[in-house]
Amino acid sequence: DTAVSQTPKYLVTQMGNDKSIKCEQNLGHDTMYWYKQDSKKFLKIMFSYNNKELIINETVPNRFSPKSPDKAHLNLHINSLELGDSAVYFCASSQGISGLGSYNEQFFGPGTRLTVL
Amino acid sequence: GQNIDQPTEMTATEGAIVQINCTYQTSGFNGLFWYQQHAGEAPTFLSYNVLDGLEEKGRFSSFLSRSKGYSYLLLKELQMKDSASYLCAVRDRAGGSYIPTFGRGTSLIVHP
Repeated sequence: DTAVSQTPKYLVTQMGNDKSIKCEQNLGHDTMYWYKQDSKKFLKIMFSYNNKELIINETVPNRFSPKSPDKAHLNLHINSLELGDSAVYFCASSQGISGLGSYNEQFFGPGTRLTVL
Repeated sequence: GQNIDQPTEMTATEGAIVQINCTYQTSGFNGLFWYQQHAGEAPTFLSYNVLDGLEEKGRFSSFLSRSKGYSYLLLKELQMKDSASYLCAVRDRAGGSYIPTFGRGTSLIVHP
């Protein structure tokens, strides 16, 4: 009965490689997010999709490309990995986006710990 | 964007009460969340405030003052398992994005 799942849980790779992280939610939510949490534990928004459409794209390098094939999935592809990309990446989902009539709190996946060597 | 400030670290004794403060600046306030994150795990939702006042949920309560840009999370009857990072997040409707922005979190250490 996993709500938000991510694969892989750990990813160790060399600089310059291309990798993908997958995320799926079975909560029937309309909105999905990708966050990056650095070594100082700061959780920073990267992307947000609502009903498969991008609604926010914070200033991240264009080496990062999100893809949402349907409402339940939001994958993250990273090209030409750099040392500074090492972090924990969290996927999250919420029913909606605004605070009108509902909390729309976020449900987070278990995280993917990416280490770039 | 928002400017969210929380203490970096706090310590408290098992059985005691601790208050974790969060101040923020935002142009289109649309709700404030508190999340708990244990080491190596995902953040989990604790509480939500959108109107002024106190919301109580068991041992945890959260307070909001919109005019002061201020919230606190109150944890009573502390248990060792409450040792975790507590994240304040503010949702802003500016620009229509409604995306919560997180503070840097407060690491709470509960000792016997």
